[in-house]
Amino acid sequence: AQSVAQPEDQVNVAEGNPLTVKCTYSVSGNPYLFWYVQYPNRGLQFLLKYITGDNLVKGSYGFEAEFNKSQTSFHLKKPSALVSDSALYFCAVRDRGYSTLTFGKGTMLLVSP
Amino acid sequence: GAGVSQSPSNKVTEKGKDVELRCDPISGHTALYWYRQSLGQGLEFLIYFQGNSAPDKSGLPSDRFSAERTGGSVSTLTIQRTQQEDSAVYLCASSPPTPNTGELFFGEGSRLTVL
Repeated sequence: AQSVAQPEDQVNVAEGNPLTVKCTYSVSGNPYLFWYVQYPNRGLQFLLKYITGDNLVKGSYGFEAEFNKSQTSFHLKKPSALVSDSALYFCAVRDRGYSTLTFGKGTMLLVSP
Repeated sequence: GAGVSQSPSNKVTEKGKDVELRCDPISGHTALYWYRQSLGQGLEFLIYFQGNSAPDKSGLPSDRFSAERTGGSVSTLTIQRTQQEDSAVYLCASSPPTPNTGELFFGEGSRLTVL
C-alpha cells in the first residue's frame, strides 16, 4: 500500500519570506515522489519530481523539494515566496510496483503582500 | 489538442439522473486516470486504463460508477442514478508510455453538481 500525509491544511507566509509545505509518505518499496499545484478552477500542474539520484530536486517557479528517506519526507520549499504562489499544493507518491499515484489531501498556501 | 481535454466543464443534474463525463487525453498517451476531488478530501483515485483495458478499477465507489475507453484514446466516466454525494470535480489525467515515472498530465476537470 502507499499513502501520503500533508499535515497542514493551510500555510500562511509573508511575501519575500521562505516557505515550506510538508509531506510525508509511506510505501513498501522505493518511491517516486511528486508535487503538483492547483490554481483556482484549474487542473493540477506538475511542479517537480524525485525519481532517483540527488535528494534535492528543483522544479518550476523556483520551487524545490528534498527527499529524506530516513524521515520518509518530501517537503516543498521556496526561498522567497510570491503572492502569485498562493494556491493549493498536492504531494503524491507512487511505489515503483504500482501504476497509480496516491495524492495527499492538499495544503492551501496563502502568501500575503 | 496539446493538453488533456474534459467535457463538460460544468454539469448540474437532478438526483437520480445519469451523467456522462468525457476525457480526451494527450495524443500518444497510453495511460489514462480518473480522479475525484471533493472539498477537504483531496484527490481520490477512481480508475486507471492502460490502452483500452482497466487493470485497476479499485477506486470506483459503487456499481453506479463505470468507465470505458475506446481506441486507446477517449474515455467516458458514467455515473448512474446520481446522488448528492457524487457532487465533486472529476479530473482526468494521462501519461506517456514507458519509460513512465508516473508524471501525470491533468485536464481542468468536470464539476458535477447533483441537486
